[in-house]
Amino acid sequence: NAGVTQTPKFRILKIGQSMTLQCTQDMNHNYMYWYRQDPGMGLKLIYYSVGAGITDKGEVPNGYNVSRSTTEDFPLRLELAAPSQTSVYFCASSYERGVTEAFFGQGTRLTVV
Amino acid sequence: AQSVAQPEDQVNVAEGNPLTVKCTYSVSGNPYLFWYVQYPNRGLQFLLKYITGDNLVKGSYGFEAEFNKSQTSFHLKKPSALVSDSALYFCAVREDGQNFVFGPGTRLSVLP
Repeated sequence: NAGVTQTPKFRILKIGQSMTLQCTQDMNHNYMYWYRQDPGMGLKLIYYSVGAGITDKGEVPNGYNVSRSTTEDFPLRLELAAPSQTSVYFCASSYERGVTEAFFGQGTRLTVV
Repeated sequence: AQSVAQPEDQVNVAEGNPLTVKCTYSVSGNPYLFWYVQYPNRGLQFLLKYITGDNLVKGSYGFEAEFNKSQTSFHLKKPSALVSDSALYFCAVREDGQNFVFGPGTRLSVLP
């Protein structure tokens, strides 16, 4: 039972560097999400996708980009990393947007120095 | 707009005692309500949800939650706490066609 898989688990970036956080799900879910978690702030939605080829901005999209070329994969791209992007990033998926719960990956802890 | 509040940053309870983690919400339509638990260095795990029907919802690991429409609350409960229940708990709400909105989380500490 793989579920939602995120890589890498940890990463340290220097200011101005770029990277891609990978997310794959094997549950054939149409909906996928990227969240960031900051202490005491809960989860903030960065981007989401309702199916292959369709993405949309969430609450905090600045500094990030996404793509969704397949149902399974939903990578998150950080361009020109900044210290404010130091956070824990979670990918999640759900079957639909209504009554079904979301399934989460284990997270990527990113530090920008 | 949807919103969720978890009024307590931290809840401490002795092992064997009942526990309650509070959640209140605000939506314009009918709410779908969820509880998740997060253990250290792990992702969020689904515990239970309220969609419709019986106001008392039972979930994983002996947890239950009570939906109260008049008080717009969805408090998480367990009759007898275990030390292993110590974790961060998140309440979430969503309406039809909308994304999840998560509360800030409540840290539960169960003391032996």
